[in-house]
Amino acid sequence: DVKVTQSSRYLVKRTGEKVFLECVQDMDHENMFWYRQDPGLGLRLIYFSYDVKMKEKGDIPEGYSVSREKKERFSLILESASTNQTSMYLCASSLHRDNQPQHFGDGTRLSIL
Amino acid sequence: GEDVEQSLFLSVREGDSSVINCTYTDSSSTYLYWYKQEPGAGLQLLTYIFSNMDMKQDQRLTVLLNKKDKHLSLRIADTQTGDSAIYFCAERSEGGKLIFGQGTELSVKP
Repeated sequence: DVKVTQSSRYLVKRTGEKVFLECVQDMDHENMFWYRQDPGLGLRLIYFSYDVKMKEKGDIPEGYSVSREKKERFSLILESASTNQTSMYLCASSLHRDNQPQHFGDGTRLSIL
Repeated sequence: GEDVEQSLFLSVREGDSSVINCTYTDSSSTYLYWYKQEPGAGLQLLTYIFSNMDMKQDQRLTVLLNKKDKHLSLRIADTQTGDSAIYFCAERSEGGKLIFGQGTELSVKP
């Protein structure tokens, strides 16, 4: 079974802090994705990566950056956290082949005070 | 741009069938997916359908695809309280990205 592990289930940080969310997958997947989930808005794509050291902006990249130094790890960085970044953050990974679905971690519920 | 729409809530009685509907806009989508999210958890893949299929059945789940109307549905037979969750429809976009609907919260009453 595919395992996507997010480092924290719950996180509380203060406005202005630099925040790191970590995601690790164990199935040698090429693609990795970061989403945020807000009530009534579904999932919105923040950043994604097709390979090591590659990154692409999703639909809402402002205020975020990412790092993919190793294939199995994809980090989401909030450079200077703000209260409107309070959300549930979901990481996913997939093989690059056409019919392969995305597999999700359990999510990190981040609160910015 | 690409868009996926779902109704936000559905309430059924235990033992009844549930039908969750979804519409999408990208006619070039190759795969369409249904995910389930239980409270406090991530998304779990339930099933998916290739765009050249009309129907796919997997135990209690039936997926129907009307490509002409860009309409996808998920039917859950004999709905149980353990089926209470949020269900997301998603279409596959370029480069393996998924476009998600807002999610339908299914409530199953005993």
